[in-house]
Amino acid sequence: GDSVTQMEGPVTLSEEAFLTINCTYTATGYPSLFWYVQYPGEGLQLLLKATKADDKGSNKGFEATYRKETTSFHLEKGSVQVSDSAVYFCANSWGAQKLVFGQGTRLTINP
Amino acid sequence: EAGVAQSPRYKIIEKRQSVAFWCNPISGHATLYWYQQILGQGPKLLIQFQNNGVVDDSQLPKDRFSAERLKGVDSTLKIQPAKLEDSAVYLCASSLPGAQETQYFGPGTRLLVL
Repeated sequence: GDSVTQMEGPVTLSEEAFLTINCTYTATGYPSLFWYVQYPGEGLQLLLKATKADDKGSNKGFEATYRKETTSFHLEKGSVQVSDSAVYFCANSWGAQKLVFGQGTRLTINP
Repeated sequence: EAGVAQSPRYKIIEKRQSVAFWCNPISGHATLYWYQQILGQGPKLLIQFQNNGVVDDSQLPKDRFSAERLKGVDSTLKIQPAKLEDSAVYLCASSLPGAQETQYFGPGTRLLVL
């Protein structure tokens, strides 16, 4: 069945560092891909998405590119801030069916 | 626009007791989801409603879990009897019809079973 594998955390970086959180997926066909973020004390919220190969999703300085050849959707940000500290979830969905989430990666940014 | 509301935010019960969670989705969102998020894992879909009908409950442990959405708006999720392994955060989400890929999540109910 469909699955998503994320880079294990926790990840700790200094402010202004470059961030990569890896995500790979298995799915039938070509799923839509998502990154959700969960800030402390808040609900999950959609960060960005890509619906077809080579699409790039972007939001709040974060980017992820749908790579069909490597079945990946790695999350990147060029310069992280303390306010980016959160748990990040990669997810996929095929044919507008249910979301399948990865296990989450906890990110902590130190000033 | 008000978000997805859930209550209670926290609940502690003993094993074999019963517990119920409530969710009020965003107005106009016909699709409602309940997820279970065990510590250190991603959310897992328990049940999906379209209006008041069940679309997917394949991962709902039906011997102890039940859910309803009688009027197609609010929903309740019940566990009876609870087990230790039910300790988790229970998330409710909603989406517009035909837009299941963009789900809006509530803050969750954190359940601890002792």
